[in-house]
Parts: sequence; structure tokens; C-alpha cells
Amino acid sequence: SQQGEEDPQALSIQEGENATMNCSYKTSINNLQWYRQNSGRGLVHLILIRSNEREKHSGRLRVTLDTSKKSSSLLITASRAADTASYFCATVSGAGSYQLTFGKGTKLSVIP
Amino acid sequence: DAGVIQSPRHEVTEMGQEVTLRCKPISGHNSLFWYRQTMMRGLELLIYFNNNVPIDDSGMPEDRFSAKMPNASFSTLKIQPSEPRDSAVYFCASTGQGEQPQHFGDGTRLSIL
Repeated sequence: SQQGEEDPQALSIQEGENATMNCSYKTSINNLQWYRQNSGRGLVHLILIRSNEREKHSGRLRVTLDTSKKSSSLLITASRAADTASYFCATVSGAGSYQLTFGKGTKLSVIP
Repeated sequence: DAGVIQSPRHEVTEMGQEVTLRCKPISGHNSLFWYRQTMMRGLELLIYFNNNVPIDDSGMPEDRFSAKMPNASFSTLKIQPSEPRDSAVYFCASTGQGEQPQHFGDGTRLSIL
């Protein structure tokens, strides 16, 4: 079953613009992770944010987490054509769990 | 450092045939996961192993699906007999202890005719 639900399902922007993707989930979590998937490839881990953290940065990526609203957002600043991919949030719940529950993803297209 | 290696990359076979998908996790990782990805259902966890032992196989859709991990460097996912609705991309992922990210292979695209 899906835990995370990303919004929007698809997003098309011009190169240089910022892209924001949102994720909502249903149950309490240990951490939330964002992954990227290029067409025809496997998922690649981008960033992990723990349930007691509110914001995290990695390069041009900024992730926020609001556990009271059970939501997270991924911001990609100054987007590039190479950022074109699908982005997934995934949650880890339960003590000692390694299992990820993925949303259906946001398909991002960055137009040069 | 080699990533997770899956084979074959593509498999096309007729319904009723046995299909075996293979995965070599990253050396030193002790957890291994099999996922299935479709447009309709997204990414679903089928089964995961910790230290070669199956921990949770509740995502395995039917008895036609089976998975093994005979050692720390190899796992198989078998479908017997295969059906057209099994067509999907199957991913293997591995991770180490603690809050480590999962590392995915590039998947096997399976088409059952």
C-alpha cells in the first residue's frame, strides 16, 4: 500500500526556475527519504530527513518536514535540464524497520 | 565500487514459463529488497532479507512468486508459472545497518506475452 502521496503528479518548468514537490503520508514515521529515478534506471537516494528534523539541505536540494501535517516538500533550486526525472518520497516507520514505503512520484520535466 | 547488479536487464517470455531474476547486492550490505514497479501500482515491496534470512514476504503477490538468498552476494526472484499481469520492472536494492539509504539496481524489465 502507498504511504507517501506526491503532489503534483507531473511538473514542467523552465531551466533556472525552482521546482517544488510535495509529499503527504499517513502514519508516524522514523524518517522520510527522497529518491530520484531517471528513465530506464533504478532509484537514486537524494536526502534523508529524520522525524525530529524540520529542514535539511544538500547542494541545490532543500527538504522540509512537518510531522504535525504529515507532509514533506522537496525544493530544487536553479533547475537544470539534467534534473528531468521522477522524484519519489519514501517513509520508514516502526522501530528497527528498514522498509521503505514509496509514493507514486512526481514526474519533473525541465525545459532547456 | 560496483553498485547493485541485476540480470537480465530485459526478459520477454510466454505465459506459463518460469522466470528467474538475479541480483548481486553491494558487498558488505546485509539487507536486500525486491520491488516491483508498474504504472498502476507504483513501487511495491515484494520481500526483504536481512542477513540472508527472509524477514517480510507479505508483499509477494502469490505462491507463484518465490525468492531466495543462498548467500550474502546473491539473490533470486522466481515466478513460476508466469502470467501477463506479472509484466513490470523488478528492482533489487540493498542497504547496510542503521539509517542507510537503499541502493537500487537498474532493474529487470519483464514482459510476459
